[in-house]
Amino acid sequence: DTGVSQDPRHKITKRGQNVTFRCDPISEHNRLYWYRQTLGQGPEFLTYFQNEAQLEKSRLLSDRFSAERPKGSFSTLEIQRTEQGDSAMYLCASSSPLDGSSYNEQFFGPGTRLTVL
Amino acid sequence: QKEVEQNSGPLSVPEGAIASLNCTYSDRGSQSFFWYRQYSGKSPELIMFIYSNGDKEDGRFTAQLNKASQYVSLLIRDSQPSDSATYLCAVIGRGATNKLIFGTGTLLAVQP
Repeated sequence: DTGVSQDPRHKITKRGQNVTFRCDPISEHNRLYWYRQTLGQGPEFLTYFQNEAQLEKSRLLSDRFSAERPKGSFSTLEIQRTEQGDSAMYLCASSSPLDGSSYNEQFFGPGTRLTVL
Repeated sequence: QKEVEQNSGPLSVPEGAIASLNCTYSDRGSQSFFWYRQYSGKSPELIMFIYSNGDKEDGRFTAQLNKASQYVSLLIRDSQPSDSATYLCAVIGRGATNKLIFGTGTLLAVQP
């Protein structure tokens, strides 16, 4: 179990460019979440996958954002035509209903810090 | 009104003291409550989970839940400088996805 990994860890881009982030969840975790965290705020939910199905999207996820989890393993989050307001830490978390706990703990990756100039 | 509210702090306590962190939530139907610790520049790490009224203890940490008052707290006994971090309160949001709704976090500074 190597934990949740995210790539890249940092991304600096110019306004208007497209960016794509990758998340590799803990092996065999079928639940995957994306959150966004801005400075001084707690993480905000963006979207949820159960296996390859995207089952919930937040209103925060504008049409410039798209997320996929094509084979139910890794996930990608793409932001098109980035804006300065997209600057944030993008966190991925995974969980499994079979982890033996009663609360389905979400394990967070290290995050991708996006800076839009 | 935000779904989960916390005082952003900073809360400053001397080493060895008890740190008390508070959180209120607006959805009376919330069932499960979490405390995450987040060091600067790092990702959140779960430290406590509680779903029953009353106290739950784990080492130096005690979580307290009062559903009637819609109030969750975290006590850290014998605070250490290594406890200095932002503490995030979270509840499970409505729906079947178990998404977490976080407060803004309270910055704790333990002074040596």
